[in-house]
Amino acid sequence: DQQVKQNSPSLSVQEGRISILNCDYTNSMFDYFLWYKKYPAEGPTFLISISSIKDKNEDGRFTVFLNKSAKHLSLHIVPSQPGDSAVYFCAASAPTSGSRLTFGEGTQLTVNP
Amino acid sequence: GAVVSQHPSRVICKSGTSVKIECRSLDFQATTMFWYRQFPKQSLMLMATSNEGSKATYEQGVEKDKFLINHASLTLSTLTVTSAHPEDSSFYICSARDRGQVYNSPLHFGNGTRLTVT
Repeated sequence: DQQVKQNSPSLSVQEGRISILNCDYTNSMFDYFLWYKKYPAEGPTFLISISSIKDKNEDGRFTVFLNKSAKHLSLHIVPSQPGDSAVYFCAASAPTSGSRLTFGEGTQLTVNP
Repeated sequence: GAVVSQHPSRVICKSGTSVKIECRSLDFQATTMFWYRQFPKQSLMLMATSNEGSKATYEQGVEKDKFLINHASLTLSTLTVTSAHPEDSSFYICSARDRGQVYNSPLHFGNGTRLTVT
């Protein structure tokens, strides 16, 4: 039962353009969502998060949008840079989960120069 | 920021042997550590939650006798893969929660351990 889904395994974007990564979830108990960036053979690096009391959180080039009614969140990166090329994981947690994170399958972002 | 150190970064072992992976919180005390496993091109799957001074809680389908977890101090948790087999080859990653951290704050991860069983 995949409670967090990233339906796009890969995304290719031109440098300077916007990258939009999407994530859907099914568990209505999730109230905290995170995006992590991961390079091969390394652990995930935290990027940005959002609480369910908000619908948008922005940090520099990264913005996360949350649509609770649709159980959907997205990560916008603008402008995209070649160094952003990595696998991006969406993750979620619930108040009852004690910080346990449920991850999506990941999306490989490639930013072309 | 919170630093989680994982060692070794990669290990190759023969089938039937045991391998120990260490996860340390370097600048904070971690009451809870989490062990994840990632197969190629797949998601990170939580294996177990390790609480300092108590038994680990394993996720469904994870063999607790095969994956031994010890969280003996507030800065160290270990995962021992016992009697390793080739199907145990995977990327193992730990994360740690600061004892003062609320649940809705980001977890920080170690750099992972690539285990290859021949």
